[in-house]
Amino acid sequence: QSVLTQPPSVSGAPGQKVTISCAGSGSNIGAGYGVHWYQQLPGTAPKLLIYSDTNRPSGVPDRFSGSRSGASASLAITGLQAEDEADYYCQSYDNRLSSWVFGGGTKLTVL
Amino acid sequence: EVRLVESGGGWVQPGRSLRLSCAASGFRFDDYAMHWVRQVPGKGLEWVSGISWNSGSVGYGGSVKGRFSISRDNAKDSLYLQMNDLRTEDTALYYCAKDRSKSVAGGKADFWGQGILVTVSS
Repeated sequence: QSVLTQPPSVSGAPGQKVTISCAGSGSNIGAGYGVHWYQQLPGTAPKLLIYSDTNRPSGVPDRFSGSRSGASASLAITGLQAEDEADYYCQSYDNRLSSWVFGGGTKLTVL
Repeated sequence: EVRLVESGGGWVQPGRSLRLSCAASGFRFDDYAMHWVRQVPGKGLEWVSGISWNSGSVGYGGSVKGRFSISRDNAKDSLYLQMNDLRTEDTALYYCAKDRSKSVAGGKADFWGQGILVTVSS
């Protein structure tokens, strides 16, 4: 059972928009700690996609965007492409556990 | 170019120990916190441990606390994970990851190694 809750899967057709949610609590996202998103393509290491809620590292397309509200956060992907098919994870810090926490991951399927 | 190369993995029997190493290059190692994150093949990510830039602050995930120990040698640009009393549930791919900041709390990993497999089995 992950501390951060994500939907197991989402899907969308090429060109469409999908949103992946990440629900936390008052000891992590709700306490103000930043939310970070990772993309893991099949057979590869995770890659930082969004950091501190809304920021994109250099090289990440602006089709990817992040937002947060209260104790939850979301990753939006617009203009879906086949290459976006991957697992996506949210991550934050939990001050009750004194540890990083991850969501269980969401598998994105591009139809 | 940032490079993180893990080594020291392999097969080990339950109850035994193993030490992972991560050789870093392409950035100023002593400016950043570092982490170990593991993943059971086909499953999600689990934070194992993190260490601040100067080793002043360390943290562990609940499932490894008291058994694993993280350390770093800034003179050698290297990160380590000493794993004791290994259990079958510790079987996973272990990633070394660089933080964007100096501290563990609130951090995020902007570069990852390719991972090293640890198999705990009798």
